[in-house]
Amino acid sequence: EAGVVQSPRYKIIEKKQPVAFWCNPISGHNTLYWYRQNLGQGPELLIRYENEEAVDDSQLPKDRFSAERLKGVDSTLKIQPAELGDSAVYLCASSSPSGLYNEQFFGPGTRLTVL
Amino acid sequence: GNSVTQMEGPVTLSEEAFLTINCTYTATGYPSLFWYVQYPGEGLQLLLKATKADDKGSNKGFEATYRKETTSFHLEKGSVQVSDSAVYFCALINNNAGNMLTFGGGTRLMVKP
Repeated sequence: EAGVVQSPRYKIIEKKQPVAFWCNPISGHNTLYWYRQNLGQGPELLIRYENEEAVDDSQLPKDRFSAERLKGVDSTLKIQPAELGDSAVYLCASSSPSGLYNEQFFGPGTRLTVL
Repeated sequence: GNSVTQMEGPVTLSEEAFLTINCTYTATGYPSLFWYVQYPGEGLQLLLKATKADDKGSNKGFEATYRKETTSFHLEKGSVQVSDSAVYFCALINNNAGNMLTFGGGTRLMVKP
């Protein structure tokens, strides 16, 4: 079974440029998460989707960040315009609704460098 | 709110040494506790979990016991290998806060032959 797929793996842009990250979750997983991991820190949740609905986006900086999951499968996270402080690894994870808690499966991440 | 604190790294050990990585948490209610591992160039992988007090999670020779009285979930391994070199993250899910994972800052482990 394929895991969570993310692309690109690496992205280098200049500040004020737009950037987009793509995530394809594990087949059948209806919950999708975007996390940001700053250097030397643990991941922090940006947004959580249940199917195509964003149910927790309280940590998403909405002035420059946006996300969508139009058909409830793959998702795109966008930053426009990017700032120097946005340099980080952006992780996507997915889970299915079975069980007491829903184990989250993580993709390899996209490492963003803003110059 | 929820928070996880783990010992800062890097932790450098020789092969076959004993490993302990400390983790303590703050949460209301009864969280589930996890250790994730991140190998170089790879995504986070669930290493082990414990869902209630006194549970012991174990996998690949690693163990951690959910200690509610000390709000701790320390990771241990009796004999580390070079292949265990990675970054280890302690995390919790608080059932009162949906399925949101709260992570510690991570501890880098380096095992030398």
